[in-house]
Amino acid sequence: KAGVTQTPRYLIKTRGQQVTLSCSPISGHRSVSWYQQTPGQGLQFLFEYFSETQRNKGNFPGRFSGRQFSNSRSEMNVSTLELGDSALYLCASSGDPQETQYFGPGTRLLVL
Amino acid sequence: GQNIDQPTEMTATEGAIVQINCTYQTSGFNGLFWYQQHAGEAPTFLSYNVLDGLEEKGRFSSFLSRSKGYSYLLLKELQMKDSASYLCAVRDQGYKLSFGAGTTVTVRA
Repeated sequence: KAGVTQTPRYLIKTRGQQVTLSCSPISGHRSVSWYQQTPGQGLQFLFEYFSETQRNKGNFPGRFSGRQFSNSRSEMNVSTLELGDSALYLCASSGDPQETQYFGPGTRLLVL
Repeated sequence: GQNIDQPTEMTATEGAIVQINCTYQTSGFNGLFWYQQHAGEAPTFLSYNVLDGLEEKGRFSSFLSRSKGYSYLLLKELQMKDSASYLCAVRDQGYKLSFGAGTTVTVRA
């Protein structure tokens, strides 16, 4: 079975721009969670989607949003980028919210 | 909310044993996970505990005491490839995962 895939793997943007990241879960998985990882803050939970509905949300500003499609693929969007948004964005999938999460390789975002 | 503490760094010799402790305070507990993360890579799942006791999986074991809010990950017969960050994560009753800051383990020859 293929693992979780994320695109793009690397991205450079400038302040004020917006960005969309994509995540394709393991086949058959319906739950997708997003995390931000930085050296200072570690892994921080952004949000979780299950069957196209947002189930949980972390403590991030409204500039961070996401959605999930009927095929369970998920996207997250960050608008009005700030320097502090530079991070590794990880997506994890599970069969349903009760099951173990498996991570994708991440998208490394650099905001200049 | 969750408050998860684990040591920042640990160093051990190849072939030795290392124990990484994790303490947590949670408003609702629904399982504890350990992940391994090599530099520049994604976290990979190591173990899961929801009941008290020891779970053994090859060279890795994980222990949980819910009454003490305490877990440890035991790495035996350390190999150089075990040099990585080890993340303790607690799941709440809404199935949301919160991660500790991670413990960087360095294995020396």
